[in-house]
Amino acid sequence: AQSVTQPDIHITVSEGASLELRCNYSYGATPYLFWYVQSPGQGLQLLLKYFSGDTLVQGIKGFEAEFKRSQSSFNLRKPSVHWSDAAEYFCAVGASGGSYIPTFGRGTSLIVHP
Amino acid sequence: GAVVSQHPSWVICKSGTSVKIECRSLDFQATTMFWYRQFPKQSLMLMATSNEGSKATYEQGVEKDKFLINHASLTLSTLTVTSAHPEDSSFYICSARRDSLYGYTFGSGTRLTVV
Repeated sequence: AQSVTQPDIHITVSEGASLELRCNYSYGATPYLFWYVQSPGQGLQLLLKYFSGDTLVQGIKGFEAEFKRSQSSFNLRKPSVHWSDAAEYFCAVGASGGSYIPTFGRGTSLIVHP
Repeated sequence: GAVVSQHPSWVICKSGTSVKIECRSLDFQATTMFWYRQFPKQSLMLMATSNEGSKATYEQGVEKDKFLINHASLTLSTLTVTSAHPEDSSFYICSARRDSLYGYTFGSGTRLTVV
Protein backbone atom coordinates (compact mmCIF):
# COMPACT_ATOMS: atom_id res chain seq x y z
CA ALA A 1 0.00 0.00 0.00
CA GLN A 2 1.10 3.53 -0.64
CA SER A 3 1.64 6.22 1.97
CA VAL A 4 2.62 9.87 2.12
CA THR A 5 4.61 11.82 4.67
CA GLN A 6 4.49 15.57 4.96
CA PRO A 7 7.02 16.28 7.69
CA ASP A 8 6.09 19.91 8.27
CA ILE A 9 2.80 20.63 10.02
CA HIS A 10 3.23 24.39 9.68
CA ILE A 11 5.40 26.55 7.45
CA THR A 12 5.66 30.30 7.90
CA VAL A 13 7.07 32.52 5.17
CA SER A 14 7.10 36.20 4.43
CA GLU A 15 5.22 37.49 1.42
CA GLY A 16 7.53 37.53 -1.56
CA ALA A 17 9.81 34.85 -0.18
CA SER A 18 10.31 31.50 -1.82
CA LEU A 19 8.52 28.40 -0.62
CA GLU A 20 9.23 24.69 -0.53
CA LEU A 21 6.83 22.17 0.98
CA ARG A 22 8.17 18.71 1.50
CA CYS A 23 6.52 15.44 0.56
CA ASN A 24 7.89 11.92 0.74
CA TYR A 25 6.02 8.90 -0.46
CA SER A 26 6.19 5.17 -0.10
CA TYR A 27 5.19 3.00 -3.03
CA GLY A 28 6.71 -0.03 -4.70
CA ALA A 29 6.64 1.31 -8.26
CA THR A 30 6.52 4.70 -9.92
CA PRO A 31 3.54 6.39 -8.35
CA TYR A 32 1.12 9.00 -9.47
CA LEU A 33 1.69 12.11 -7.36
CA PHE A 34 -0.48 15.11 -6.63
CA TRP A 35 -0.51 18.36 -4.75
CA TYR A 36 -3.81 19.84 -3.65
CA VAL A 37 -4.60 23.12 -1.89
CA GLN A 38 -7.47 23.63 0.54
CA SER A 39 -8.70 27.00 1.75
CA PRO A 40 -10.53 27.08 5.09
CA GLY A 41 -13.90 25.36 4.89
CA GLN A 42 -13.43 24.50 1.25
CA GLY A 43 -12.82 21.44 -0.82
CA LEU A 44 -9.55 20.58 -2.49
CA GLN A 45 -8.17 22.14 -5.64
CA LEU A 46 -5.60 20.32 -7.72
CA LEU A 47 -2.38 22.32 -8.11
CA LEU A 48 -0.46 19.84 -10.19
CA LYS A 49 0.08 16.16 -10.83
CA TYR A 50 2.80 13.83 -11.99
CA PHE A 51 2.06 10.70 -13.95
CA SER A 52 5.19 10.20 -16.04
CA GLY A 53 7.69 12.04 -18.22
CA ASP A 54 9.37 15.27 -17.22
CA THR A 55 10.08 15.12 -13.50
CA LEU A 56 9.61 18.88 -13.09
CA VAL A 57 5.91 19.57 -13.19
CA GLN A 58 4.35 22.99 -13.61
CA GLY A 59 1.02 23.70 -12.00
CA ILE A 60 -1.45 26.48 -11.49
CA LYS A 61 -0.87 29.64 -9.47
CA GLY A 62 2.86 29.60 -10.17
CA PHE A 63 3.55 26.35 -8.33
CA GLU A 64 5.89 23.62 -9.49
CA ALA A 65 6.99 20.28 -8.08
CA GLU A 66 9.87 17.97 -8.80
CA PHE A 67 9.67 14.19 -8.67
CA LYS A 68 12.89 12.68 -7.36
CA ARG A 69 12.74 8.93 -7.50
CA SER A 70 16.02 8.44 -5.63
CA GLN A 71 14.67 10.41 -2.68
CA SER A 72 11.05 9.26 -2.96
CA SER A 73 10.10 12.91 -2.86
CA PHE A 74 7.75 15.28 -4.61
CA ASN A 75 8.39 18.69 -3.10
CA LEU A 76 6.25 21.66 -3.98
CA ARG A 77 7.89 25.02 -4.73
CA LYS A 78 6.97 28.56 -5.51
CA PRO A 79 9.54 31.31 -6.13
CA SER A 80 7.53 34.16 -4.60
CA VAL A 81 4.66 33.61 -2.19
CA HIS A 82 1.58 35.82 -2.14
CA TRP A 83 -0.63 36.38 0.90
CA SER A 84 -3.44 34.58 -0.91
CA ASP A 85 -1.37 31.39 -0.92
CA ALA A 86 -2.04 30.92 2.79
CA ALA A 87 -3.91 27.61 2.97
CA GLU A 88 -3.54 23.93 3.73
CA TYR A 89 -1.52 21.93 1.24
CA PHE A 90 -1.89 18.21 0.75
CA CYS A 91 0.41 15.86 -1.05
CA ALA A 92 -1.17 12.67 -2.33
CA VAL A 93 0.01 9.47 -3.95
CA GLY A 94 -1.91 7.07 -6.12
CA ALA A 95 -1.03 3.62 -7.35
CA SER A 96 0.02 3.87 -10.99
CA GLY A 97 -2.50 2.46 -13.39
CA GLY A 98 -6.11 1.71 -12.69
CA SER A 99 -8.17 4.14 -10.69
CA TYR A 100 -5.18 5.41 -8.61
CA ILE A 101 -7.40 6.58 -5.74
CA PRO A 102 -5.21 9.13 -3.95
CA THR A 103 -3.90 8.59 -0.44
CA PHE A 104 -3.29 11.88 1.31
CA GLY A 105 -0.60 13.16 3.62
CA ARG A 106 -1.64 14.95 6.77
CA GLY A 107 -1.17 18.34 5.18
CA THR A 108 1.04 21.37 5.71
CA SER A 109 -0.45 24.63 6.83
CA LEU A 110 1.13 27.61 5.08
CA ILE A 111 1.16 30.90 6.96
CA VAL A 112 2.17 34.01 5.06
CA HIS A 113 3.40 37.09 6.91
CA PRO A 114 3.06 40.50 5.27
CA GLY B 1 -13.91 21.09 -17.03
CA ALA B 2 -14.79 18.59 -14.37
CA VAL B 3 -16.96 20.13 -11.70
CA VAL B 4 -18.24 18.39 -8.60
CA SER B 5 -20.94 20.08 -6.57
CA GLN B 6 -21.66 19.17 -2.97
CA HIS B 7 -24.70 20.19 -0.98
CA PRO B 8 -25.27 21.40 1.66
CA SER B 9 -22.07 23.23 2.50
CA TRP B 10 -22.92 23.10 6.18
CA VAL B 11 -25.60 21.52 8.32
CA ILE B 12 -26.44 21.41 12.00
CA CYS B 13 -28.60 18.59 13.27
CA LYS B 14 -29.76 17.14 16.55
CA SER B 15 -28.43 13.88 17.94
CA GLY B 16 -30.42 10.92 16.72
CA THR B 17 -31.53 12.46 13.45
CA SER B 18 -30.27 11.61 9.98
CA VAL B 19 -28.59 13.92 7.51
CA LYS B 20 -28.20 13.50 3.76
CA ILE B 21 -25.33 15.01 1.80
CA GLU B 22 -25.44 15.16 -1.99
CA CYS B 23 -22.56 14.99 -4.42
CA ARG B 24 -23.15 15.79 -8.08
CA SER B 25 -20.89 15.71 -11.08
CA LEU B 26 -22.11 18.69 -13.11
CA ASP B 27 -20.44 18.31 -16.48
CA PHE B 28 -19.48 14.68 -16.64
CA GLN B 29 -20.75 11.25 -15.73
CA ALA B 30 -19.16 9.46 -12.82
CA THR B 31 -19.70 5.75 -12.38
CA THR B 32 -17.60 5.96 -9.26
CA MET B 33 -17.52 8.61 -6.58
CA PHE B 34 -15.63 8.73 -3.34
CA TRP B 35 -16.48 9.96 0.11
CA TYR B 36 -13.85 11.31 2.47
CA ARG B 37 -13.97 12.48 6.05
CA GLN B 38 -11.64 15.12 7.39
CA PHE B 39 -11.10 15.85 11.07
CA PRO B 40 -9.86 19.30 12.08
CA LYS B 41 -6.25 19.89 11.12
CA GLN B 42 -5.98 16.38 9.75
CA SER B 43 -5.83 14.68 6.42
CA LEU B 44 -8.63 13.24 4.36
CA MET B 45 -9.56 9.69 5.14
CA LEU B 46 -11.30 7.68 2.46
CA MET B 47 -14.56 6.34 3.86
CA ALA B 48 -16.10 4.56 0.92
CA THR B 49 -16.28 4.19 -2.81
CA SER B 50 -19.69 4.78 -4.28
CA ASN B 51 -20.54 2.68 -7.34
CA GLU B 52 -23.39 3.58 -9.65
CA GLY B 53 -26.03 0.91 -9.63
CA SER B 54 -24.38 -1.28 -7.05
CA LYS B 55 -23.37 -1.36 -3.41
CA ALA B 56 -20.75 0.95 -2.05
CA THR B 57 -17.39 -0.35 -0.97
CA TYR B 58 -16.47 0.73 2.54
CA GLU B 59 -13.01 1.15 3.98
CA GLN B 60 -12.04 -0.85 7.02
CA GLY B 61 -13.47 0.59 10.20
CA VAL B 62 -16.27 2.56 8.54
CA GLU B 63 -19.73 1.55 9.69
CA LYS B 64 -21.84 0.89 6.62
CA ASP B 65 -25.06 1.06 8.62
CA LYS B 66 -24.08 4.45 9.99
CA PHE B 67 -22.97 5.95 6.69
CA LEU B 68 -25.41 4.95 3.98
CA ILE B 69 -24.30 5.59 0.43
CA ASN B 70 -26.53 5.58 -2.60
CA HIS B 71 -25.35 6.15 -6.17
CA ALA B 72 -28.59 6.07 -8.08
CA SER B 73 -27.44 7.85 -11.24
CA LEU B 74 -24.28 8.63 -13.14
CA THR B 75 -24.22 12.16 -11.73
CA LEU B 76 -25.42 11.80 -8.16
CA SER B 77 -24.16 10.08 -5.04
CA THR B 78 -25.60 10.64 -1.58
CA LEU B 79 -24.16 10.04 1.85
CA THR B 80 -26.66 9.71 4.69
CA VAL B 81 -25.38 9.88 8.23
CA THR B 82 -27.94 7.93 10.22
CA SER B 83 -28.75 8.42 13.88
CA ALA B 84 -26.10 11.10 14.05
CA HIS B 85 -24.08 11.64 17.22
CA PRO B 86 -21.71 14.46 18.17
CA GLU B 87 -18.72 12.29 17.29
CA ASP B 88 -19.99 12.23 13.70
CA SER B 89 -19.36 15.95 13.49
CA SER B 90 -16.76 16.44 10.81
CA PHE B 91 -16.03 17.78 7.35
CA TYR B 92 -17.20 15.42 4.61
CA ILE B 93 -15.85 15.74 1.07
CA CYS B 94 -16.83 13.86 -2.06
CA SER B 95 -14.73 13.29 -5.13
CA ALA B 96 -15.08 11.93 -8.62
CA ARG B 97 -12.79 11.26 -11.53
CA ARG B 98 -13.80 12.33 -14.99
CA ASP B 99 -10.95 10.60 -16.76
CA SER B 100 -7.20 10.19 -16.46
CA LEU B 101 -6.60 13.65 -17.93
CA TYR B 102 -8.52 15.49 -15.23
CA GLY B 103 -7.71 13.29 -12.31
CA TYR B 104 -9.84 13.56 -9.22
CA THR B 105 -12.07 16.56 -8.65
CA PHE B 106 -13.36 17.36 -5.20
CA GLY B 107 -16.55 18.93 -3.97
CA SER B 108 -16.40 21.94 -1.69
CA GLY B 109 -17.22 19.83 1.34
CA THR B 110 -19.98 19.69 3.95
CA ARG B 111 -19.43 20.76 7.52
CA LEU B 112 -21.65 18.58 9.73
CA THR B 113 -22.23 19.60 13.31
CA VAL B 114 -24.30 17.32 15.53
CA VAL B 115 -25.60 18.92 18.70
